[in-house]
Amino acid sequence: DIQMTQSPSSLSASVGDRVTITCRASQDINSFLAWYQQKPGKPPNLLIYAASTLQSGVPSRFSGSGSGTDFTLTISSLQPEDIATYYCQRYNSAPPLTFGGGTKVEIK
Amino acid sequence: EVELLESGGGLVQPGGSLRLSCAASGFTFTSYAMSWVRQAPGKGLEWVSSISGSGDFTYYADSVKGRFTISSDNSKRTLYLQMSSLRAEDTAVYYCAKSHVATRRHVNGDFDYWGQGALVTVSS
Repeated sequence: DIQMTQSPSSLSASVGDRVTITCRASQDINSFLAWYQQKPGKPPNLLIYAASTLQSGVPSRFSGSGSGTDFTLTISSLQPEDIATYYCQRYNSAPPLTFGGGTKVEIK
Repeated sequence: EVELLESGGGLVQPGGSLRLSCAASGFTFTSYAMSWVRQAPGKGLEWVSSISGSGDFTYYADSVKGRFTISSDNSKRTLYLQMSSLRAEDTAVYYCAKSHVATRRHVNGDFDYWGQGALVTVSS
């Protein structure tokens, strides 16, 4: 099975900071990668699919990049409402549709 | 507007059974794969099972294979997860999720809509 490894597992940044989260796949997954944001007590919310395509309604400060095995989610200017846990998910082939372990983002 | 509404969660003893339901609306149910994803307390997301839009193809995580059964009733636009031989480690919030891209045969995809979740607690 393909493993998805996220780093860091948590981070603390100031409002306005640029934040970068990475996700590494154990095998080439082309661009079949999604990013989700999950706030406490809520279901996940799709932010980015196909590695770099912004889902409708998602603020433009979020962006994704990468292909193959290495991917990045960037928040260009961290806002208080961005406090959440972020997950990557691969979907290049048949299940298991593996998620990364998550990155918890906090305000410094 | 797409809506997914889970029901059927609750407290069950180890070894017991439970059936979750997910009522869907706002999209052509048979055109999209549907999945169950769970989240244990304080933990990350774990994919559990998926069913194709046609209902012909089903997939399971190794952790639930042989114990859980996914199914769908197109006439009721409802997704189900029958869980049996439940263990303490199955305790989690269970989300149903809709695949982003319409495909009747394939299940691999990202998830653009999620339900609010159903809590399943396995404890004596």
